[in-house]
Amino acid sequence: GENVEQHPSTLSVQEGDSAVIKCTYSDSASNYFPWYKQELGKGPQLIIDIRSNVGEKKDQRIAVTLNKTAKHFSLHITETQPEDSAVYFCAASIMGRRALTFGSGTRLQVQP
Amino acid sequence: SQTIHQWPATLVQPVGSPLSLECTVEGTSNPNLYWYRQAAGRGLQLLFYSVGIGQISSEVPQNLSASRPQDRQFILSSKKLLLSDSGFYLCAWYAGANVLTFGAGSRLTVL
Repeated sequence: GENVEQHPSTLSVQEGDSAVIKCTYSDSASNYFPWYKQELGKGPQLIIDIRSNVGEKKDQRIAVTLNKTAKHFSLHITETQPEDSAVYFCAASIMGRRALTFGSGTRLQVQP
Repeated sequence: SQTIHQWPATLVQPVGSPLSLECTVEGTSNPNLYWYRQAAGRGLQLLFYSVGIGQISSEVPQNLSASRPQDRQFILSSKKLLLSDSGFYLCAWYAGANVLTFGAGSRLTVL
């Protein structure tokens, strides 16, 4: 089955700096890579996703890059703000199979 | 509109007691439904998924079971809780286009 590894487990940045979270996956057949943000005591919410037919996707301050050859993908948050503080999860799946495999999560703390 | 509900939000149970967590979705029919568990400081582990009434697939052997008595209802149960069952339980469904949407979660503490 799929195995997703995520690094780092914790990340602390100063407000305004950039944050990068990296994930690797094992199943070369995976073609869908979402990122979720989980605030304290709440369920995770999708913030951005990327499919294997593109190498990069951007939405305002958030971007995701995908390297299918190396089987890794990354989340980039620019100009971080305190409200970006949360736990972020990457995931991978094969579209149509519909079972997401999640990474272990990254706790991001943005210091004001 | 499409929404997902989970209850109870928090639960404290003694070891050996039974468990029932409920999840319902609104605004859709025949959804694929999932139960995930998140242990403290850990990632999201898929426990069960269901593609229809009475159809349950288990991803990991454990002390828990799931049932789907109605199209939009998914229940997570245990006959006798263990300490290791403590965690944050999340129900999820596919709202479309492969987007997995989570409920607000149920926090279970087993003492």
